[in-house]
Amino acid sequence: KAGVTQTPRYLIKTRGQQVTLSCSPISGHRSVSWYQQTPGQGLQFLFEYFSETQRNKGNFPGRFSGRQFSNSRSEMNVSTLELGDSALYLCASSPGQTGTSNQPQHFGDGTRLSIL
Amino acid sequence: GQQVMQIPQYQHVQEGEDFTTYCNSSTTLSNIQWYKQRPGGHPVFLIQLVKSGEVKKQKRLTFQFGEAKKNSSLHITATQTTDVGTYFCAGRAGGYQKVTFGTGTKLQVIP
Repeated sequence: KAGVTQTPRYLIKTRGQQVTLSCSPISGHRSVSWYQQTPGQGLQFLFEYFSETQRNKGNFPGRFSGRQFSNSRSEMNVSTLELGDSALYLCASSPGQTGTSNQPQHFGDGTRLSIL
Repeated sequence: GQQVMQIPQYQHVQEGEDFTTYCNSSTTLSNIQWYKQRPGGHPVFLIQLVKSGEVKKQKRLTFQFGEAKKNSSLHITATQTTDVGTYFCAGRAGGYQKVTFGTGTKLQVIP
């Protein structure tokens, strides 16, 4: 079974630009979560999607948005990029069925975003 | 909001020594999960604890969930160089609330 796939692996942008990151979950997984990882802040939760609906949202500004498609693939978008947005963005998937919220998350390799 | 702290932040041990990381949540958790992230890699799920006072073992690793379900620990016996990485705990306060990851403990093992 293929793992979680994130594209692109690396991205360089400049301040003020916007970026879209993509995540394909493990086949059959319907829950996708996004995290921002930086050396100083650890793993910060961005959002969680289940069946195309945002189930949870972290404490990030409105410049960070996401969506999930009917095939469970997910995208996150960051607009008006700032230097502080430089980070590793990780996507994780889990089966996510109703009533079984305590499920392990399977992470992708991440997209490393650098803002110049 | 919910906060999950881990101590220590860093730990250097000689190969063969034991290692323990502690995880403390500001709120009661419905479950606690542990992940390991190798340098340059992504977090990999290790184990999940659900019951108050639960203890689980995986070879040299022992995981414990506190009676109040607000703290947890991971103990590694006789560390090996393959244990190098950052260990994260992660928990949900309940239901479908978001998962909060701990601050992580970075383990270095000196051969």
